[in-house]
Amino acid sequence: QQQVKQSPQSLIVQKGGISIINCAYENTAFDYFPWYQQFPGKGPALLIAIRPDVSEKKEGRFTISFNKSAKQFSLHIMDSQPGDSATYFCAASGNAGNMLTFGGGTRLMVKP
Amino acid sequence: GAVVSQHPSRVICKSGTSVKIECRSLDFQATTMFWYRQFPKKSLMLMATSNEGSKATYEQGVEKDKFLINHASLTLSTLTVTSAHPEDSSFYICSAPRQGGYGYTFGSGTRLTVV
Repeated sequence: QQQVKQSPQSLIVQKGGISIINCAYENTAFDYFPWYQQFPGKGPALLIAIRPDVSEKKEGRFTISFNKSAKQFSLHIMDSQPGDSATYFCAASGNAGNMLTFGGGTRLMVKP
Repeated sequence: GAVVSQHPSRVICKSGTSVKIECRSLDFQATTMFWYRQFPKKSLMLMATSNEGSKATYEQGVEKDKFLINHASLTLSTLTVTSAHPEDSSFYICSAPRQGGYGYTFGSGTRLTVV
């Protein structure tokens, strides 16, 4: 069921640095690519999402870059803060309302 | 808007007993609900998809008789873990697609511990 591959599994970044997490997918029918942030004991919370008709989307410190031909997308967290320390999941789905397929997750630690 | 309320947040039960987890859509109608299971430090794995008024669709390897899903109304879907065993201990999360487009709303999760 591993149709979305995420890397790295863990990441340590200094405060103020850039955190970069990458995902690759196989199913060309996917047309919705969200990123979720999850804190321990909590459900995932949507950070930012992108559709294939654009190559980049920015919301505050979070940016998604999307490469349709390579079937890859990435999350960039600018000016990373200790409060950003969490697990991040990329996901993908095809057609509105269909199930999400999640990547394996990245545990981010931002050191003060 | 688009809130899914999941209860309980934590539950401890004895082996052999059953536990019911509820997910309610508070301000929208959820005709579909996805149920995920998450082991520690692992990703979310889809268990089943419930549709209001019809039988749930289970993913390969998920026991239908152990994980009973009911979606009797447009605002409530339930997952019952029957005859629970320690290996059923996990974090269970529900999610509903938002109406009219892309996007999903997640419940806050239920930590099940079977002792």
